[in-house]
Amino acid sequence: AQKITQTQPGMFVQEKEAVTLDCTYDTSDQSYGLFWYKQPSSGEMIFLIYQGSYDEQNATEGRYSLNFQKARKSANLVISASQLGDSAMYFCAMREGEYGQNFVFGPGTRLSVLP
Amino acid sequence: KAGVTQTPRYLIKTRGQQVTLSCSPISGHRSVSWYQQTPGQGLQFLFEYFSETQRNKGNFPGRFSGRQFSNSRSEMNVSTLELGDSALYLCASSLVPGLGETQYFGPGTRLLVL
Repeated sequence: AQKITQTQPGMFVQEKEAVTLDCTYDTSDQSYGLFWYKQPSSGEMIFLIYQGSYDEQNATEGRYSLNFQKARKSANLVISASQLGDSAMYFCAMREGEYGQNFVFGPGTRLSVLP
Repeated sequence: KAGVTQTPRYLIKTRGQQVTLSCSPISGHRSVSWYQQTPGQGLQFLFEYFSETQRNKGNFPGRFSGRQFSNSRSEMNVSTLELGDSALYLCASSLVPGLGETQYFGPGTRLLVL
């Protein structure tokens, strides 16, 4: 079974609008970490935001926020005020295991920002 | 602070050859992980090293191996290359292994096997 599901292979958003990228995860661990990364066409994975399973507040980093719904096992990324430079692949990832030794990535969502 | 560096950035090899890729983590980071990224399989975990010890290994054949040096720099080796080994190989570093530890990635090495 997939540990990380990203149901949107591709999305379009108009510049300056907000967009939500979906991520659901599957784990039986009580402690885990959730991450979002951005991968532009250059290939480098850029860390965006982190949410711990015990964090009560949703994480925010500038224009990025994470809508964490623990009971539903979802960790959606919200990008506000989209910019052309936001066009990229976005990966949801989870770190789990007793020592955080399992780091799994979702299949990714390709976001295209339209001018 | 300099980011994760990987060398070489691009590599072309032929089937049957072997290849060694290098990764220098962010200064102070002691954990290094390697991933293979292909269009068909996505991002797959290869292995993780901490304090010169392999902590975890993904589901890859023994042709894939790695090591970590005392300065935390890491190398991965692929022997007897196959066409299917063509991929982007990403290295990531974190301060230490752990649930809340963010991994920071390098630019990757693009390997093409002919």
